[in-house]
Amino acid sequence: AQRVTQPEKLLSVFKGAPVELKCNYSYSGSPELFWYVQYSRQRLQLLLRHISRESIKGFTADLNKGETSFHLKKPFAQEEDSAMYYCALSVDNFNKFYFGSGTKLNVKP
Amino acid sequence: EAGVTQFPSHSVIEKGQTVTLRCDPISGHDNLYWYRRVMGKEIKFLLHFVKESKQDESGMPNNRFLAERTGGTYSTLKVQPAELEDSGVYFCASSPILGHGLYGYTFGSGTRLTVV
Repeated sequence: AQRVTQPEKLLSVFKGAPVELKCNYSYSGSPELFWYVQYSRQRLQLLLRHISRESIKGFTADLNKGETSFHLKKPFAQEEDSAMYYCALSVDNFNKFYFGSGTKLNVKP
Repeated sequence: EAGVTQFPSHSVIEKGQTVTLRCDPISGHDNLYWYRRVMGKEIKFLLHFVKESKQDESGMPNNRFLAERTGGTYSTLKVQPAELEDSGVYFCASSPILGHGLYGYTFGSGTRLTVV
């Protein structure tokens, strides 16, 4: 069965420190993975997609099929990165997503 | 363009009552999705409309939940009778064509439902 696990509910780091938000998935097919972000009082929005191998706002994520992981990383966290981050696995040709339970990132000044 | 609109933004009801949530997708978006996040848990898929038809309703938890999209425009999600475990945030999202989730959904701001 498809499943996305985000083991950390809360991650607190100081401004300028590296940050890594963990995501592991379970899926028998070829995974398509995404990171969504929800800033305070804003809507859930797409941050980045595995398929495009992009870097958005300094964040990157690498798909590791051997470890079934898609961890989100940023070398130097900023206060404006504080938000709720959700890892998501897409199935059914991008018409259904399995989300993790989210990690709240708190970047302290 | 107007985004995905959901209302009410908050609803507090007593166990056993009925609540109807509404979602207005972006104009012209044929695909409409409902998801919900129960406190502390993952955001779960409920169902997917293509126009007025239910493409996938595999995530609907039980028959107390009824989703409709008459005319293929806005959608309603009715919970009747509501139970305590229905509390959570209900998200709606829309996309113009099938498979457009590749580019990310456009989400509404969600309805926070509290059943007491």
